[in-house]
Amino acid sequence: GAGVSQSPSNKVTEKGKDVELRCDPISGHTALYWYRQSLGQGLEFLIYFQGNSAPDKSGLPSDRFSAERTGGSVSTLTIQRTQQEDSAVYLCASSYSGREETQYFGPGTRLLVL
Amino acid sequence: EDQVTQSPEALRLQEGESSSLNCSYTVSGLRGLFWYRQDPGKGPEFLFTLYSAGEEKEKERLKATLTKKESFLHITAPKPEDSATYLCAVQANSGGSNYKLTFGKGTLLTVNP
Repeated sequence: GAGVSQSPSNKVTEKGKDVELRCDPISGHTALYWYRQSLGQGLEFLIYFQGNSAPDKSGLPSDRFSAERTGGSVSTLTIQRTQQEDSAVYLCASSYSGREETQYFGPGTRLLVL
Repeated sequence: EDQVTQSPEALRLQEGESSSLNCSYTVSGLRGLFWYRQDPGKGPEFLFTLYSAGEEKEKERLKATLTKKESFLHITAPKPEDSATYLCAVQANSGGSNYKLTFGKGTLLTVNP
């Protein structure tokens, strides 16, 4: 079946602009995660959605970052007033439920802030 | 704080030359240890989950093992198509956020023909 999809695959923006990254999870998966992968660093947890529960936003690095999930499916990660240090690969993952379940990753969005 | 350290950072092998990758971890109660493979420009691809010390899992030329402090990914007679970055991650069994994965920085494996 279809895996996790993300768009755009690449995004180049200018410092100070806002960007929106989209994630479509695997159909039927209730849990959705965003991670960030910076050059030379491990994947870093950003935010977690599970069903209709309040999201865990504990990994968001600043208040310029926000995310929402509409209808329990598609999610959008928004970065306002982008900075050069925001340049990274943003990965989305989904799982059948939040615990003891394998997380399956999408191909990522490569963000470059000039 | 949960921590994952992978070694070596990079490993170059000749085709057919077996070796092992190491993943050392500290976690406040292990729920699961995960191995992923990541090809350039792609997202991580799930390989294995290990839950308890002594557990082993195999897939083709790969075998993952787990102790209370570390995990090994053994690669037997590797082929060039095994070249990738191998990521290790842990999921904690305690606290309110026992769903997030904590990743190591990965081992870049290159297998030369």
